Amino acid sequence: DTAVSQTPKYLVTQMGNDKSIKCEQNLGHDTMYWYKQDSKKFLKIMFSYNNKELIINETVPNRFSPKSPDKAHLNLHINSLELGDSAVYFCASSPRRTYEQYFGPGTRLTVT
Amino acid sequence: RKEVEQDPGPFNVPEGATVAFNCTYSNSASQSFFWYRQDCRKEPKLLMSVYSSGNEDGRFTAQLNRASQYISLLIRDSKLSDSATYLCVVNMASGGSYIPTFGRGTSLIVHP
Repeated sequence: DTAVSQTPKYLVTQMGNDKSIKCEQNLGHDTMYWYKQDSKKFLKIMFSYNNKELIINETVPNRFSPKSPDKAHLNLHINSLELGDSAVYFCASSPRRTYEQYFGPGTRLTVT
Repeated sequence: RKEVEQDPGPFNVPEGATVAFNCTYSNSASQSFFWYRQDCRKEPKLLMSVYSSGNEDGRFTAQLNRASQYISLLIRDSKLSDSATYLCVVNMASGGSYIPTFGRGTSLIVHP
């Protein structure tokens, strides 16, 4: 029973392509997040949704577009991929009351 | 000034040792503080929330000092399996919401 799942786990693609990463949580949490962890291991929040509503959008290029079809899913679509987008992308969820986050296994994106 | 600062280490300690990490944060309006651990090439996992009165979970003790704006993590009787990167997380007030802000992590290596 995976609590927070992401697909795909690995994604290798060329510059200029468009790709999507999917995230699902079965914990019944209200809030979901996307993070980027770069090569220096710094984990930075990109977006957060609460009950399908965008509540955090942190200085992310508009090539990145999150979509939350329901509160259990938060997908990330990336247009016109660039070399600098290569990183590990983590999805997480938390209950609104405690903010304790549970992370998915990550998607390792490599742009060539 | 970085918003959440941690000593990157590594802290290299023998099994059985006691080790302590600190984390300072810049925003006095912050609420909700956490410690996560991250193993190599894995997702961050919640270790413990940090409460104002301090809290303990087995060998782990967390403290919050709001006046000096830091949190700490104490690990007693270190085990080899404690080797990991420890991430401090602070929910920082920003425009009516709270942004989960990660430190860069402190690396711990426990050796036999």
